[in-house]
Amino acid sequence: NAGVTQTPKFQVLKTGQSMTLQCAQDMNHNSMYWYRQDPGMGLRLIYYSASEGTTDKGEVPNGYNVSRLNKREFSLRLESAAPSQTSVYFCASSDLNPGAAWPQHFGDGTRLSIL
Amino acid sequence: QKEVEQDPGPLSVPEGAIVSLNCTYSNSAFQYFMWYRQYSRKGPELLMYTYSSGNKEDGRFTAQVDKSSKYISLFIRDSQPSDSATYLCAMSDGTISNFGNEKLTFGTGTRLTIIP
Repeated sequence: NAGVTQTPKFQVLKTGQSMTLQCAQDMNHNSMYWYRQDPGMGLRLIYYSASEGTTDKGEVPNGYNVSRLNKREFSLRLESAAPSQTSVYFCASSDLNPGAAWPQHFGDGTRLSIL
Repeated sequence: QKEVEQDPGPLSVPEGAIVSLNCTYSNSAFQYFMWYRQYSRKGPELLMYTYSSGNKEDGRFTAQVDKSSKYISLFIRDSQPSDSATYLCAMSDGTISNFGNEKLTFGTGTRLTIIP
């Protein structure tokens, strides 16, 4: 019963390096999300994908790109990492039902440090 | 002012006590309310989900929504050390954006420790 799986769990990068965070869900959900969680700031939405083939910006998209590879997978890419991107990154997924709000289900996060 | 305010704590209570966790909000359009529990080094997991005003009970947990006061609460009865975690409130107005996405607005979380 995997739910939402994120890889890697930990990563240390140097400023300017690039990397891709991977996320996969096995719940057949339409919508997927990337958040970052920082102390005192809570969860902030970076990008989301309402369905396969669509993506759009959330609250804090600068410095990130995403790809919705298929219905299961949604990746987050840092093209040129900066120390301000040191954070814990969470992927989430949910079903979609117009007129209602479906709870989002989260992975266990990727802890990313940028030196 | 943030749309959702939550006291960050930390909150420490003895085992067996009743715990009250709260969030206030400013957007009167919110009508779906959730509580997530997040253990250390884990992702948030859904604990309670309520629609509109009123109470909802699930075992030792009770979620309460007062839309007139824009105030929601989570009560934990007979608290256990395993309840030690960070509790996040989240809420939505249920509308779908032009891109087919619904947005959840989260509180910053309250860190709770239950002392054996």
